[in-house]
Amino acid sequence: GAVVSQHPSWVICKSGTSVKIECRSLDFQATTMFWYRQFPKQSLMLMATSNEGSKATYEQGVEKDKFLINHASLTLSTLTVTSAHPEDSSFYICSARAEGGVGPQHFGDGTRLSIL
Amino acid sequence: QKEVEQDPGPLSVPEGAIVSLNCTYSNSAFQYFMWYRQYSRKGPELLMYTYSSGNKEDGRFTAQVDKSSKYISLFIRDSQPSDSATYLCAMRDTNAGKSTFGDGTTLTVKP
Repeated sequence: GAVVSQHPSWVICKSGTSVKIECRSLDFQATTMFWYRQFPKQSLMLMATSNEGSKATYEQGVEKDKFLINHASLTLSTLTVTSAHPEDSSFYICSARAEGGVGPQHFGDGTRLSIL
Repeated sequence: QKEVEQDPGPLSVPEGAIVSLNCTYSNSAFQYFMWYRQYSRKGPELLMYTYSSGNKEDGRFTAQVDKSSKYISLFIRDSQPSDSATYLCAMRDTNAGKSTFGDGTTLTVKP
């Protein structure tokens, strides 16, 4: 149980394009989803927290207009990197917690984003 | 000073060894404690989830929480090469929406 699916797993695109990453909780309803960024050999960096049906809460220093987060249902959240540039290249990982907010976070397998 | 401190390692042990991974924390409000395993280029995988102080065992893994010392541990018995990964501790208080993660300890188990 508690499976989180993230898609795509790897994307390469040209500078200036926008990229959408999907995160789905497959066997549970997720009240809260989290988006992280991770650089090689570094720890997880929380970008934002989203609750179903409301606006995401961004961490300090994360540009909300650059990283658009939508959590339209209890099983789906999306992260759109708008007008991506090479410095946005990174490993993006989503995480979800079950409805009710009690319990651990479960993670997707991440998306490796490479901007040329 | 970080809220959660974790020795980054790297830690290298022979196959079959007992591994001890540790985290200390400063926030006495933390009630929920987790250990995750992360393989290279994969998302973290939940290993253990505990509430408050005490021990929890699951197969070769044992998680210990000592709230009085603000110290948590993960023990791996009979370690295997497949246990080679980065291990992350995480914790949160009762009401917070987000968990606070350690920076991870990289473990290598040599055959």
